[in-house]
Amino acid sequence: NAGVMQNPRHLVRRRGQEARLRCSPMKGHSHVYWYRQLPEEGLKFMVYLQKENIIDESGMPKERFSAEFPKEGPSILRIQQVVRGDSAAYFCASSLGQGRNTEAFFGQGTRLTVV
Amino acid sequence: KNEVEQSPQNLTAQEGEFITINCSYSVGISALHWLQQHPGGGIVSLFMLSSGKKKHGRLIATINIQEKHSSLHITASHPRDSAVYICAVVRSGGGADGLTFGKGTHLIIQP
Repeated sequence: NAGVMQNPRHLVRRRGQEARLRCSPMKGHSHVYWYRQLPEEGLKFMVYLQKENIIDESGMPKERFSAEFPKEGPSILRIQQVVRGDSAAYFCASSLGQGRNTEAFFGQGTRLTVV
Repeated sequence: KNEVEQSPQNLTAQEGEFITINCSYSVGISALHWLQQHPGGGIVSLFMLSSGKKKHGRLIATINIQEKHSSLHITASHPRDSAVYICAVVRSGGGADGLTFGKGTHLIIQP
C-alpha cells in the first residue's frame, strides 16, 4: 500500500511560468490537505479538499493559486505566473475520515524553486 | 505570538541522552500531532493524541489539556533521531480544517 505520492519531488520554474504540483493520496483516502513550508518558516495550511469539492481554502492566496481534487486522478495544486516568493516546499497530506481527529499521512513534498 | 510554540528551537545532545521537546498552544484544540521531518525529506506522523500519553518504541508523547502543553520524549537517543520535530494542533470549533504548526525543534544527536 503506497503512501501519499507527490510529484515532482523538485520543480524549477522561471518567473511568470506555471507550476503544477500533484498529490496522489493513500488508497482509500478521499481527504487531501495542502501545506506550504517557506524557507526558515514553519508549515502553513493552504487548502483542504474532498473529492470534487474544496472544503476550506482559507490559507490559500486569493490570486494565482488554485487547487482541485477530481473524481479520478490526483489532487493538483496550481500556481500561475510564479514569483520568487513562491519558492517553498509544498506538502500534501491525506486522511481516511472526515473528522478533524483523523490521522493524516504526509507525502515527501515538492520543492519548488522559482528562478 | 504564535498560537503553537515549541522549545527549544535547537537541541544538540550526545547519543544515549534522554531528550524532551516541549509544545505549548494558546487555542482550543481537539487533537495534537507530533511530526518528524528529516533534512530534504518528507514528513512522518509520529503521534496523534488528545489526552494522556502514547508510547511507540523509544518515543513517548504526553499531553496536558488543562495546561495546554505537550511533550515529546526520546529515550536512549541515537544519531538517526536527528531531525526536525514539529508540533501541530487541530483547532476545536470553527476555522480552518487543517493543522496549525509550531516552527519545529531542530534536534542533532552526536555519536
